[in-house]
Amino acid sequence: TQLLEQSPQFLSIQEGENLTVYCNSSSVFSSLQWYRQEPGEGPVLLVTVVTGGEVKKLKRLTFQFGDARKDSSLHITAAQPGDTGLYLCAGAPPGSNTGKLIFGQGTTLQVKP
Amino acid sequence: DAGITQSPRHKVTETGTPVTLRCHQTENHRYMYWYRQDPGHGLRLIHYSYGVKDTDKGEVSDGYSVSRSKTEDFLLTLESATSSQTSVYFCAISDKRTATNEKLFFGSGTQLSVL
Repeated sequence: TQLLEQSPQFLSIQEGENLTVYCNSSSVFSSLQWYRQEPGEGPVLLVTVVTGGEVKKLKRLTFQFGDARKDSSLHITAAQPGDTGLYLCAGAPPGSNTGKLIFGQGTTLQVKP
Repeated sequence: DAGITQSPRHKVTETGTPVTLRCHQTENHRYMYWYRQDPGHGLRLIHYSYGVKDTDKGEVSDGYSVSRSKTEDFLLTLESATSSQTSVYFCAISDKRTATNEKLFFGSGTQLSVL
């Protein structure tokens, strides 16, 4: 069974600080996605990374896919209270069909004003 | 926002009773999924559908059944609810067949409590 381990599980920081969330596995994934979820709502897709070593930026968020496609990271620069939420990584096992993703357990981020 | 409606949003039921959750989409997407979300487990796939009357089991399908008689509706049924099925249930839709450039859209969830 493929697993994705996210760390840390909880993170509480002050506005303006930088942070990195990690998503690790011993298995290879054909792609890796990051979602953000707010209380009472479903996850919303932020980005999909497909190629080993790929880096994508979304404003203050930087996503990286590991060279071996087994891990990924999410870095937030100068965090703001609006970044507060649950961040989930999700991997597509090689050869899997749409939607059969493996999700990490999530990282709860709280950014204090 | 993708047109996905889950109903009910909240439900409390008793052990042993049948429960049906509904997912309705207005996007005409072919693929639909039911996930459950529990603390420490992230999201786990229960069942999925690739089209009308085309469904299959996911990772945690025991105790659940699904039906899809129309493209827009995907029903999840707990035949005899148990306390271990207390969870938040999410429906998701997609129009892509492959993982590359996948976009999975989620509904707002149903909070189910089995007492």
